[in-house]
Amino acid sequence: KNQVEQSPQSLIILEGKNCTLQCNYTVSPFSNLRWYKQDTGRGPVSLTIMTFSENTKSNGRYTATLDADTKQSSLHITASQLSDSASYICVVRGGRGSTLGRLYFGRGTQLTVWP
Amino acid sequence: NAGVTQTPKFQVLKTGQSMTLQCAQDMNHEYMSWYRQDPGMGLRLIHYSVGAGITDQGEVPNGYNVSRSTTEDFPLRLLSAAPSQTSVYFCASSYSWTGDQPQHFGDGTRLSIL
Repeated sequence: KNQVEQSPQSLIILEGKNCTLQCNYTVSPFSNLRWYKQDTGRGPVSLTIMTFSENTKSNGRYTATLDADTKQSSLHITASQLSDSASYICVVRGGRGSTLGRLYFGRGTQLTVWP
Repeated sequence: NAGVTQTPKFQVLKTGQSMTLQCAQDMNHEYMSWYRQDPGMGLRLIHYSVGAGITDQGEVPNGYNVSRSTTEDFPLRLLSAAPSQTSVYFCASSYSWTGDQPQHFGDGTRLSIL
């Protein structure tokens, strides 16, 4: 069964600290993996996309990694800020055949940054 | 740029009532979709459209109808509201239904069915 699992479900950190969010998937064939940030009361916004050939990609204080062999991705947030408080959603896109174009959503990690 | 606009932002209905959630995008995107988001669950696809005049069912289509008469608009209709349809509804659009382009989401409609 094609699934996306995220951990932890929730996380509380102090402002200025780093954290890492995990995403494991079983989707196959695989096309790409995208991380979204969803602020409270808003729609998700794309942070970064990882394709099969990419291992690491940075977007400011956000760094995503992908291990396509183990089907794992992580999102590392450096020097957290209060504005990083949000839900982070991992979304995997299927690659071909019956999964072509289909999106598989994780349940998200709720990050809270305390001052 | 307005992006994806959803109206209304909040709505309370009584069981059995019908209503239409509006969604409009100004990016000339071919692919549009509707999701519902419930506590502790990931976004679930209700219906989607790959272009004007073309719609198809997603993961949880029962109780909902859609139509796509223009590229810009993709309304979602609740035929006879039920308490199980209490949720936050998101409309999204993207350049295509495959490939590497991101989905652009609206800010949601929070719907309560009494």
